[in-house]
Amino acid sequence: GQQLNQSPQSMFIQEGEDVSMNCTSSSIFNTWLWYKQDPGEGPVLLIALYKAGELTSNGRLTAQFGITRKDSFLNISASIPSDVGIYFCAGRNSGGSNYKLTFGKGTLLTVNP
Amino acid sequence: DADVTQTPRNRITKTGKRIMLECSQTKGHDRMYWYRQDPGLGLRLIYYSFDVKDINKGEISDGYSVSRQAQAKFSLSLESAIPNQTALYFCATSDSAMTGLNQPQHFGDGTRLSIL
Repeated sequence: GQQLNQSPQSMFIQEGEDVSMNCTSSSIFNTWLWYKQDPGEGPVLLIALYKAGELTSNGRLTAQFGITRKDSFLNISASIPSDVGIYFCAGRNSGGSNYKLTFGKGTLLTVNP
Repeated sequence: DADVTQTPRNRITKTGKRIMLECSQTKGHDRMYWYRQDPGLGLRLIYYSFDVKDINKGEISDGYSVSRQAQAKFSLSLESAIPNQTALYFCATSDSAMTGLNQPQHFGDGTRLSIL
């Protein structure tokens, strides 16, 4: 089956620092999605990417769809305490049915004030 | 997402009991999904439905069943619960009419299920 590796598994940073996390896939994806999950809640969509090379921002968040279509990264600039949570990448394979998302295992972000 | 409501939010039950988790949505989406989340394993797809009465198995469907009797509702059942089904369960929806193949999924706030 498809493998989707997300790194790092966890990060501890100081408020104000920039953060970068990424996902790599063993197969080509036609969609990359980035979600954030707060404690006790479901994942919330942050950014959706649909084209190779696409760079999209949402406030302090920026994500890119890798040129090879096998990777994506998410950057958070000037982190604040409310950025704490688990960040998931998810991808959809171009060769498969359009329903199925493959999820990364998540990056746990802790921001020290 | 407040438009995707899961009930109950928490449930503790015993091995062998039948459990039903409910999901309802006001987004008007046609597609609905059930996932389970385990620490360190991310989200894994149990079942999905493209429309009323349409049911499809995901990657970990054994021990589970679902029902889609109305577009807005998708229920997940554990016929005879076992301890390794203890997990966080999420319902999600998507709209097939949105940008063709690439509609993102929107999640409920989850049901924490513990089986003793």
